[in-house]
Amino acid sequence: AQSVAQPEDQVNVAEGNPLTVKCTYSVSGNPYLFWYVQYPNRGLQFLLKYITGDNLVKGSYGFEAEFNKSQTSFHLKKPSALVSDSALYFCAVRDMDSWGKLQFGAGTQVVVTP
Amino acid sequence: AAGVIQSPRHLIKEKRETATLKCYPIPRHDTVYWYQQGPGQDPQFLISFYEKMQSDKGSIPDRFSAQQFSDYHSELNMSSLELGDSALYFCASSISKEGGNTIYFGEGSWLTVV
Repeated sequence: AQSVAQPEDQVNVAEGNPLTVKCTYSVSGNPYLFWYVQYPNRGLQFLLKYITGDNLVKGSYGFEAEFNKSQTSFHLKKPSALVSDSALYFCAVRDMDSWGKLQFGAGTQVVVTP
Repeated sequence: AAGVIQSPRHLIKEKRETATLKCYPIPRHDTVYWYQQGPGQDPQFLISFYEKMQSDKGSIPDRFSAQQFSDYHSELNMSSLELGDSALYFCASSISKEGGNTIYFGEGSWLTVV
């Protein structure tokens, strides 16, 4: 079975500082990894994904993620955080043994302070 | 660009009542997923459809049923509602079940059972 883990319930960062949200995964076969963001009372917005190729993936709103096969990690990063980045971030893996459904991590709340 | 459309956005039902949620996937998407997100939790997979046939089933209660129609829209029917069914229900869609394809989510339907 596929799974992802987000070890931090919350990440606090000052505006302008680098932001990192951690994610580790466990998959059989090729990993298809995704990051989504959820603003309060809103839906899940797709940020970026890793399928194959370059380990550094660039996505929406200045976010990027680094795929590390040896450490089975897929950490989300942003060089300079904004207050508007405050939201709930979910790492997810597609379970291709189960018709491609997404298996989500527990989520990490990001709080960016001015 | 067209997104996943869900209706209604909010509904309030009493215990033991029935509710129906509707989902209109992105045009040309042939796979629909339903997720349930309780307060402070990650989205939990309920059920999915591929080309109008049920493709996978997750933690969906027997009181719930779903189907996908010829125009690819999907409906989630919930009967004998319980207080614990209060949650945000997401519909998502994608093009086929290829691992690299992105799954896009709607804004969700808030169900409150009183």
